Amino acid sequence: NAGVTQTPKFQVLKTGQSMTLQCAQDMNHEYMSWYRQDPGMGLRLIHYSVGAGITDQGEVPNGYNVSRSTTEDFPLRLLSAAPSQTSVYFCASSYHRDSGNTIYFGEGSWLTVV
Amino acid sequence: AQSVTQLDSQVPVFEEAPVELRCNYSSSVSVYLFWYVQYPNQGLQLLLKYLSGSTLVESINGFEAEFNKSQTSFHLRKPSVHISDTAEYFCAVSDRRMNRQGAQKLVFGQGTRLTINP
Repeated sequence: NAGVTQTPKFQVLKTGQSMTLQCAQDMNHEYMSWYRQDPGMGLRLIHYSVGAGITDQGEVPNGYNVSRSTTEDFPLRLLSAAPSQTSVYFCASSYHRDSGNTIYFGEGSWLTVV
Repeated sequence: AQSVTQLDSQVPVFEEAPVELRCNYSSSVSVYLFWYVQYPNQGLQLLLKYLSGSTLVESINGFEAEFNKSQTSFHLRKPSVHISDTAEYFCAVSDRRMNRQGAQKLVFGQGTRLTINP
């Protein structure tokens, strides 16, 4: 009963370093997405995917890359970390064919860029 | 495009008191409405949602929200709160139509931190 699994849970990076946040879901959901959560700003969509091989940008995509080679996995890559990318990152998934579907979230990845 | 405004960033209440968390949205199209809850150091979980039908929707733990189309509001209420309700609550809206990629785009409010005092 894993649902949406994110790793790592905590990470400290130096400015300019790169890293990948991993996300996997075992519910056979077509739709997967990445959000970042910042104080007073709610959650903002970074990138999303409606299926393997299909990705698109959300509200705040700059500085992040994604790919979707399988239905289960949707990694988020930070190419050159900046202090402005210090945030809590959430991966989410759902059946995408109805915009009223429930979105399921992972437990979050806390990232600090120094 | 849609937007969501949660009018209170923090709401402190005493245990067993009633509470209302306010949410207003802006949209030029028909929408679905959601409340998600985030307990400390956890991800978000769906609390309740309005899709169609009765404008009053309820959760399994005693929360309810009423869709008011004329006031574009979806306020969350509970008649008697418990310590375990301490969490951050997010109102969210999505366009009923899928976008060009067939994706569900959820727009979140800023969140309301509910603190329950004994």
